[in-house]
Amino acid sequence: GAGVSQTPSNKVTEKGKYVELRCDPISGHTALYWYRQSLGQGPEFLIYFQGTGAADDSGLPNDRFFAVRPEGSVSTLKIQRTERGDSAVYLCASSLSAGTAQNEQFFGPGTRLTVL
Amino acid sequence: AQSVTQPDIHITVSEGASLELRCNYSYGATPYLFWYVQSPGQGLQLLLKYFSGDTLVQGIKGFEAEFKRSQSSFNLRKPSVHWSDAAEYFCAVGARGTGRRALTFGSGTRLQVQP
Repeated sequence: GAGVSQTPSNKVTEKGKYVELRCDPISGHTALYWYRQSLGQGPEFLIYFQGTGAADDSGLPNDRFFAVRPEGSVSTLKIQRTERGDSAVYLCASSLSAGTAQNEQFFGPGTRLTVL
Repeated sequence: AQSVTQPDIHITVSEGASLELRCNYSYGATPYLFWYVQSPGQGLQLLLKYFSGDTLVQGIKGFEAEFKRSQSSFNLRKPSVHWSDAAEYFCAVGARGTGRRALTFGSGTRLQVQP
């Protein structure tokens, strides 16, 4: 079946602009995660959803970052007033549920965001 | 707070040689342990995981890892490396017994395979 998909694959924007990054999880997966991967680093957790609600948003760096998942499937990560330091690959993952950290997280290919 | 250290940023091995990638973690208890592989343009793929029981776990693509509680380590091994194994490898931990579901990743080890 289809894996996790993310659009766009690449996004170039100018400092101060607003961007939206989309994630389509694997069908039937109720848990969805966003991570950010800077160059030369491992992924860092941003936020995760169980269903429609954000169960843990402790990784969001500041209030310019926001994510939604209104119908419990597709999620959008929104970044306001982008800064050059926001440049990174944004990864989305989904798992069957978030009942335990044992549940395998399946990752998408990521969106590479470049802020000029 | 939990943390993961992968001390080797870059490793080069010859095709057919054995491989060991190191991973050390810091956590109050034994966490859930994972190894992921990331190839260019591909998403992270789970190689193997350890939750409990036998400390030597087998994964996909001929990889195995050994959990050593005394050393807080979870090193990844492969007896004979193939050119297609060239990629970046990430060790990750998940919290046990808490509501936290996020994975904490190490900074990765890039594997280069020489013919």
